[in-house]
Amino acid sequence: EAGVAQSPRYKIIEKRQSVAFWCNPISGHATLYWYQQILGQGPKLLIQFQNNGVVDDSQLPKDRFSAERLKGVDSTLKIQPAKLEDSAVYLCASSSIPMGQMNTEAFFGQGTRLTVV
Amino acid sequence: AQSVTQPDIHITVSEGASLELRCNYSYGATPYLFWYVQSPGQGLQLLLKYFSGDTLVQGIKGFEAEFKRSQSSFNLRKPSVHWSDAAEYFCAVVPRRGYSTLTFGKGTMLLVSP
Repeated sequence: EAGVAQSPRYKIIEKRQSVAFWCNPISGHATLYWYQQILGQGPKLLIQFQNNGVVDDSQLPKDRFSAERLKGVDSTLKIQPAKLEDSAVYLCASSSIPMGQMNTEAFFGQGTRLTVV
Repeated sequence: AQSVTQPDIHITVSEGASLELRCNYSYGATPYLFWYVQSPGQGLQLLLKYFSGDTLVQGIKGFEAEFKRSQSSFNLRKPSVHWSDAAEYFCAVVPRRGYSTLTFGKGTMLLVSP
């Protein structure tokens, strides 16, 4: 079974530039998550999709971050314009059913390391 | 406020020695509980999970964890650490309701000395 695919693995941009990250979840997984992991901290949820609908984006900085999952499969996370404090690893994860249900598990991609200079 | 606490930022263990990583949670009702491991430059790999039933949970790579309701804890253990276990370990919880998501602790970095 193929895992969660993310690209690119690394990205360096200047502040005020824009950047996009791509995620392809495990086939058949309806739930997709984007997490931000700042150095020295645990991952923090940015947005959760159920199929192509947003379930939770309460912690997404909507003035600069956007995400979509138009066909309910792969997803794109965009930052525009980037700030220095956006430097982090962006992790995508997927699960077959939402995590609040019993006996489920989230599978993570390798992440995209973003450096804003 | 709901939270997950990993009190140890770094732990150094000698190879072959036993390991215990601590995790405490503060939630109104017992959440689902997870331990993940992250090696440098890698994503998160699930070690084990607890939903209900037996409070001692066996995971991959020889790890186990014990759920203690009275202490609101879910500590991770391994009887004999290998150098390849050096990594960062995250405790995570999910409230028991439909569209909940993982909330992670800040992590514990495990260093293994020869």
